[in-house]
Amino acid sequence: AQSVTQLGSHVSVSEGALVLLRCNYSSSVPPYLFWYVQYPNQGLQLLLKYTTGATLVKGINGFEAEFKKSETSFHLTKPSAHMSDAAEYFCAVSLQTGANNLFFGTGTRLTVIP
Amino acid sequence: NAGVTQTPKFQVLKTGQSMTLQCAQDMNHEYMSWYRQDPGMGLRLIHYSVGAGITDQGEVPNGYNVSRSTTEDFPLRLLSAAPSQTSVYFCASSPVVGSEEKLFFGSGTQLSVL
Repeated sequence: AQSVTQLGSHVSVSEGALVLLRCNYSSSVPPYLFWYVQYPNQGLQLLLKYTTGATLVKGINGFEAEFKKSETSFHLTKPSAHMSDAAEYFCAVSLQTGANNLFFGTGTRLTVIP
Repeated sequence: NAGVTQTPKFQVLKTGQSMTLQCAQDMNHEYMSWYRQDPGMGLRLIHYSVGAGITDQGEVPNGYNVSRSTTEDFPLRLLSAAPSQTSVYFCASSPVVGSEEKLFFGSGTQLSVL
C-alpha cells in the first residue's frame, strides 16, 4: 500500500522567508513523487516531480524538493516566499504500475505574511 | 487549447436525485480520472480509465458510475445523490506513458447535496 503524510495543514511564513512544506510517504515499491499547487477556485497544477535519477528536483516558480529514500521524505522548499505563493500544496505518490493513479496527501495551506 | 473542461461549475441537488458531471479533454489523452476533494482529506480517486471502453475503480467508487465511450469524454454519474457526496470534483487526464506523465486537471465542479 502507498500513502502520503503532509505535516501541518497550515503554514505561515513572512514574505522573503524560507518556505518548507513537509511530505513523507510510504510505498512498497519505488515511488514516483509529485508536488501540486492549487490556487483558489482552480484545479491543481504540477510544481515538480521525481521519477528516477537526481534526487534534488527543481520545479516552477523557484520551488524544489529533495527525495530522501532513507527518510522516506520529499519536502518542498523555496528560499524566499512571495505573496503569489499563497495557495494549497499537495504532495502525491504514484506507483510505477503503468497507470497514472496518484494518491494525494491532505494538503498544506501556505499563507504568506507581508 | 481548452485542455480539460468540466461542466457544470456548480450544482445543487436534493437527496436521491441523479445527475452527470461532464468532463472532456481535447489533448487526445488516453488516461482520464475523477477525484473528489474534501476538507482535510486531500483528493481521493473515484474512478479512472486508461482508454476508450476501459474503466476501473479507484479508492472511493461507491455511489458513482463512469463510462468511456470516446477518448475525449469521461462523464461521472451519481445515480442517487447523498449528502456525503457533497464535495468538489476534479477530472484529470494524461497520456498513458507509465507514471511519469503529469496530470492535467480541470477547474472543478462544486456539488452540494441537500
